[in-house]
Amino acid sequence: SQQGEEDPQALSIQEGENATMNCSYKTSINNLQWYRQNSGRGLVHLILIRSNEREKHSGRLRVTLDTSKKSSSLLITASRAADTASYFCATVDSRLTFGEGTQLTVNP
Amino acid sequence: DSGVTQTPKHLITATGQRVTLRCSPRSGDLSVYWYQQSLDQGLQFLIQYYNGEERAKGNILERFSAQQFPDLHSELNLSSLELGDSALYFCASSQGNPYGYTFGSGTRLTVV
Repeated sequence: SQQGEEDPQALSIQEGENATMNCSYKTSINNLQWYRQNSGRGLVHLILIRSNEREKHSGRLRVTLDTSKKSSSLLITASRAADTASYFCATVDSRLTFGEGTQLTVNP
Repeated sequence: DSGVTQTPKHLITATGQRVTLRCSPRSGDLSVYWYQQSLDQGLQFLIQYYNGEERAKGNILERFSAQQFPDLHSELNLSSLELGDSALYFCASSQGNPYGYTFGSGTRLTVV
């Protein structure tokens, strides 16, 4: 069973726009991670946010975590065509459990 | 190159057959994880090894087995293959909690 659920399932935007993806989860977490997957390729770790953190930045990425609502969001600013990929949130108990992902398409 | 090496990249085999997928973790990582990704099931955790010992088990079928060797590479054995086993199989390694996982590029298994 999936722990995280991403919303929306698919998102299509123009280059330069911001993209926001949301993730909800069910149980208590140690930390939450976001990954990117280009079509048919391996997953790439983007960012990790600990349960006692509320916001974290990495380049054009901004992640927030609200443990009271059991939710997280990933914001990609000034998107590029190369950002086109599936984005997954993953929660950690004894192993990473992934949501079903958001398919982001950035149109040039 | 993520540092996690998976071989082979592609595998086509017939139903009923047995295959072995291989994974070499990133240098220094003691934990190895296997995941299956299919269109209808998403990313499913199969099994984790830590320094040669099984640490956690997920949705792994009895027809599947894995092991981690003293040099830390791991193998996933899939037997009595069925059409539904066709999927991408990923290996990942990690230094442990709370670090992120490093994924290999996967093995695409097609059962015909």
